[in-house]
Amino acid sequence: NFMLTQPHSVSESPGKTVTISCTRSSGSIASNYVQWYQQRPGSAPTTVIYEDNQRPSGVPDRFSGSIDSSSNSASLTISGLKTEDEADYYCQSYDSSNHWVFGGGTKLTVL
Amino acid sequence: QLQLQESGPGLVKPSETLSLTCTVSGGSISSSSYYWGWIRQPPGKGLEWIGSIYYSGSTYYNPSLKSRVTISVDTSKNQFSLKLSSVTAADTAVYYCARLEGSRGDQWGQGTLVTVSS
Repeated sequence: NFMLTQPHSVSESPGKTVTISCTRSSGSIASNYVQWYQQRPGSAPTTVIYEDNQRPSGVPDRFSGSIDSSSNSASLTISGLKTEDEADYYCQSYDSSNHWVFGGGTKLTVL
Repeated sequence: QLQLQESGPGLVKPSETLSLTCTVSGGSISSSSYYWGWIRQPPGKGLEWIGSIYYSGSTYYNPSLKSRVTISVDTSKNQFSLKLSSVTAADTAVYYCARLEGSRGDQWGQGTLVTVSS
């Protein structure tokens, strides 16, 4: 099976833009959709991006997702950072057998 | 408004079987549009997918846990359940149940902490 690798942590200032990467270890990143979840302390995860670049209703358009086949990675970009965006972010995909895989998570600090 | 609620013992002894139930309200577990899944998160660590089930009973399990996991569904009670056998301290985690739409978990329960300790 494959792994999804994320940076352990990223930090940026309010109002700025941050990008979190998610690199697939084997197989093409484009083979299976990638989702991104936001998890605040003590709360369940919520979806911020699904199917690579789709935003659920209620998620601000400051959140965007993309994939890059050249680097075999997916990215979550948050623009106009707000302090409320401070959270852990997880990427997730699946394989041909419908087995899910999560990335290790990235702690976003907005300071 | 769909809600999912995990229930079960918060403390399980080593070598015993962890059993949790997820009760779905505000929607039918028999909908053909969704799978239902279990995900766990050890304290201070990341998310781990345990497995998924369709209302018909077809299942998918994490290969690393497959030998110890059973997920079942009871459509009459609008519930699905998780059993994890031969638990150790490494199975201590917050266990989440979730509705799976396509490739994503679109609705999650609040999670329940299960501690494995004697």
